[in-house]
Amino acid sequence: AQKVTQAQTEISVVEKEDVTLDCVYETRDTTYYLFWYKQPPSGELVFLIRRNSFDEQNEISGRYSWNFQKSTSSFNFTITASQVVDSAVYFCALSPISGSARQLTFGSGTQLTVLP
Amino acid sequence: DGGITQSPKYLFRKEGQNVTLSCEQNLNHDAMYWYRQDPGQGLRLIYYSQIVNDFQKGDIAEGYSVSREKKESFPLTVTSAQKNPTAFYLCASSIGQPGYEQYFGPGTRLTVT
Repeated sequence: AQKVTQAQTEISVVEKEDVTLDCVYETRDTTYYLFWYKQPPSGELVFLIRRNSFDEQNEISGRYSWNFQKSTSSFNFTITASQVVDSAVYFCALSPISGSARQLTFGSGTQLTVLP
Repeated sequence: DGGITQSPKYLFRKEGQNVTLSCEQNLNHDAMYWYRQDPGQGLRLIYYSQIVNDFQKGDIAEGYSVSREKKESFPLTVTSAQKNPTAFYLCASSIGQPGYEQYFGPGTRLTVT
């Protein structure tokens, strides 16, 4: 069974602060993919990143960075110099590399509010 | 532009009526999915389809039905048997291989009174 835990239900920061969203996962699979999605107030989930379990290098994309640590089963997401437009719900998700295409397990999400 | 469309954005129905939510994609994806999202909660899988004319129940299929007659379309019917139908419904698609990202439509907010 797979499980994704996002313990931070809500986070508020002031614009330009850095913020880290935590994601901890459980899986019996040795190979898997991890994802982050953003859900702005409009409702549509926007794909941000996919990471496979073979690659533990941190990834940076503009103000976004991701820290994958297999030893602690964590895939944390950091936004540097946050902006009001970053306000959204962020979901972490997990999928095995083999098996059914349905097996995408989402966490419960973290509501991020960036205050001006 | 390639993407997923869901219509309508907002839908209101009286209790006891069936209602069908539309989902269309032009991404040439094989797999399509329906999720339900309740306030403050994550996504729960209702049904998914990996190929035309085939679909499988997800975690909360009771009270819902689907069809997949065309690759591009995966409509969801919320039947009167669904006890708590008021929710936000999201449709998604993917290339159908495990481990690949799903792309989501804008969602339909259904209110049943």
